[in-house]
Amino acid sequence: RKEVEQDPGPFNVPEGATVAFNCTYSNSASQSFFWYRQDCRKEPKLLMSVYSSGNEDGRFTAQLNRASQYISLLIRDSKLSDSATYLCVVRQTGANNLFFGTGTRLTVIP
Amino acid sequence: NAGVTQTPKFQVLKTGQSMTLQCAQDMNHNSMYWYRQDPGMGLRLIYYSASEGTTDKGEVPNGYNVSRLNKREFSLRLESAAPSQTSVYFCASSEWQGSMEYFGPGTRLTVL
Repeated sequence: RKEVEQDPGPFNVPEGATVAFNCTYSNSASQSFFWYRQDCRKEPKLLMSVYSSGNEDGRFTAQLNRASQYISLLIRDSKLSDSATYLCVVRQTGANNLFFGTGTRLTVIP
Repeated sequence: NAGVTQTPKFQVLKTGQSMTLQCAQDMNHNSMYWYRQDPGMGLRLIYYSASEGTTDKGEVPNGYNVSRLNKREFSLRLESAAPSQTSVYFCASSEWQGSMEYFGPGTRLTVL
């Protein structure tokens, strides 16, 4: 079983739509969670950390559900520039590195 | 601040050739990492260096070696390249192990 699993998509949504991605993780001892964004043929870049209480950054909201072992990313009022692959990232307690999901591809259509 | 830099950006090798991928960071980070990214597989950790002077194997270390030359630089060497090593290689750094990582622009390697 993979450490982190995501629906690969693609999600094709019109501009202005709200879209949500979920990600599940296998190890209940995981303690740090992030969402990264990766544009085509570019490096991953940190989008936001995910805190237990949930957090918001402009149009982006991240939530953590420890009981069900999933994290989510909600994007409101989608822009064309939001088109990218979104990577779910988890760090397990005592682990030396981050575990990356394979990503969910989003295309925002005019 | 350049962040994390990698050279070269592109490389084509023949099977059996060797090469070294270079990585440097100017953020005074303690930890550095090498990943490979293949379609459908996500990012997989090859080797990491928790701090200057230490290196450890990640998930897919076979066929690779690394050197943490100093705090800034972390190189990845392929001694005898194989077609299975065709991939995009990313170097990353973080302030400490497990904290958020910052990535370089990647090296696209093709082994024929």
